[in-house]
Amino acid sequence: DGGITQSPKYLFRKEGQNVTLSCEQNLNHDAMYWYRQDPGQGLRLIYYSQIVNDFQKGDIAEGYSVSREKKESFPLTVTSAQKNPTAFYLCASSIVKEETQYFGPGTRLLVL
Amino acid sequence: AQKITQTQPGMFVQEKEAVTLDCTYDTSDQSYGLFWYKQPSSGEMIFLIYQGSYDEQNATEGRYSLNFQKARKSANLVISASQLGDSAMYFCAMREGSIPGGYQKVTFGIGTKLQVIP
Repeated sequence: DGGITQSPKYLFRKEGQNVTLSCEQNLNHDAMYWYRQDPGQGLRLIYYSQIVNDFQKGDIAEGYSVSREKKESFPLTVTSAQKNPTAFYLCASSIVKEETQYFGPGTRLLVL
Repeated sequence: AQKITQTQPGMFVQEKEAVTLDCTYDTSDQSYGLFWYKQPSSGEMIFLIYQGSYDEQNATEGRYSLNFQKARKSANLVISASQLGDSAMYFCAMREGSIPGGYQKVTFGIGTKLQVIP
């Protein structure tokens, strides 16, 4: 079955620690995205990538980093510079020239 | 100004009844797209329906239809014959700009929580 997987489902971060969220897709989509969702708010774009080895900052990129070494994979690192990382993180992908983004199941990040 | 406005924080509907979830948008682009997503308690965002700004017919997908009123800048989601499994958060979103070339930003509303009552 084609789809997007995210791991882990829950992630705990200690003060000053970097953590990495995984996102993998087997839909053969060129574009991938990371969003952050806070309670009572819509999704906010962190980073996006339209092609391997290229990515762009979204609206709230500070404190986050990404890489796109393979078409299928777009990991997100939450660095210690992100002072308020507790949120639900959603990864999405799309065919670049089509409209719809398809989402993974999400990772909930909590700070210890 | 908010790009996407969803004014109903919560809605109740009786099972088997129809329900309309409101969405208004703000853009100066001529070419744009409107989406609805469903987010159950599990968290995954599920794509429901899409409407392009140049589409003359309202989009329909099974029990979902999008009531597109361009002059009013509204894109309401209509769910017919509600089922218990329809209980979820529903998000309206808008893509601005034309597709060829670079990324076109998608903006999401804050969502409406729908609860279906048996």
